[in-house]
Amino acid sequence: GAGVSQSPRYKVAKRGQDVALRCDPISGHVSLFWYQQALGQGPEFLTYFQNEAQLDKSGLPSDRFFAERPEGSVSTLKIQRTQQEDSAVYLCASSFSGTSGGPGYFGPGTRLTVT
Amino acid sequence: GENVEQHPSTLSVQEGDSAVIKCTYSDSASNYFPWYKQELGKRPQLIIDIRSNVGEKKDQRIAVTLNKTAKHFSLHITETQPEDSAVYFCAASKTNAGKSTFGDGTTLTVKP
Repeated sequence: GAGVSQSPRYKVAKRGQDVALRCDPISGHVSLFWYQQALGQGPEFLTYFQNEAQLDKSGLPSDRFFAERPEGSVSTLKIQRTQQEDSAVYLCASSFSGTSGGPGYFGPGTRLTVT
Repeated sequence: GENVEQHPSTLSVQEGDSAVIKCTYSDSASNYFPWYKQELGKRPQLIIDIRSNVGEKKDQRIAVTLNKTAKHFSLHITETQPEDSAVYFCAASKTNAGKSTFGDGTTLTVKP
């Protein structure tokens, strides 16, 4: 079966532009996670959904970051007025249950470069 | 909040030797401890996990141990192979919460 997919795989944005990153989790997975991974570092938590409910958004670095999962499947991470410090790989992950404790399956990531 | 420290940051072993990576965590309420393997340019893959109600878990050549009192857990890889070369991340979380805190990673190199 298909794993977690993300699009686009690569995105170059000029500073100040808005971007939207898409995540398609594994079908039927309740939990969906967004992480940010800088080069040479571990993933940093951004936000967590259980179905369509955003239960934790404590990791979003500023109000320029917004995530949604309106129908409990596909999720979009939006970054407004991008800054150079937003350059990173954005990883989406999903898990079957709502009590798994952590991401089970990661997507390939979207590499965002802000110039 | 939770703080996870991982060491060593790099580890080089000969093929066939064992490798051990250690992590400590700060939040005594954390009860789920997964390990991920990330090959260069690839996505992290969950390779093994342990919950706080057990002290050790094994899956073929890999094992994880947990010491709740000392708040540390370790990944053990036996009979290492060149294909084990990758960055390994530990993480800690609570099973009813979404946030996992990751360590900074260990780059394991297995020399043939």
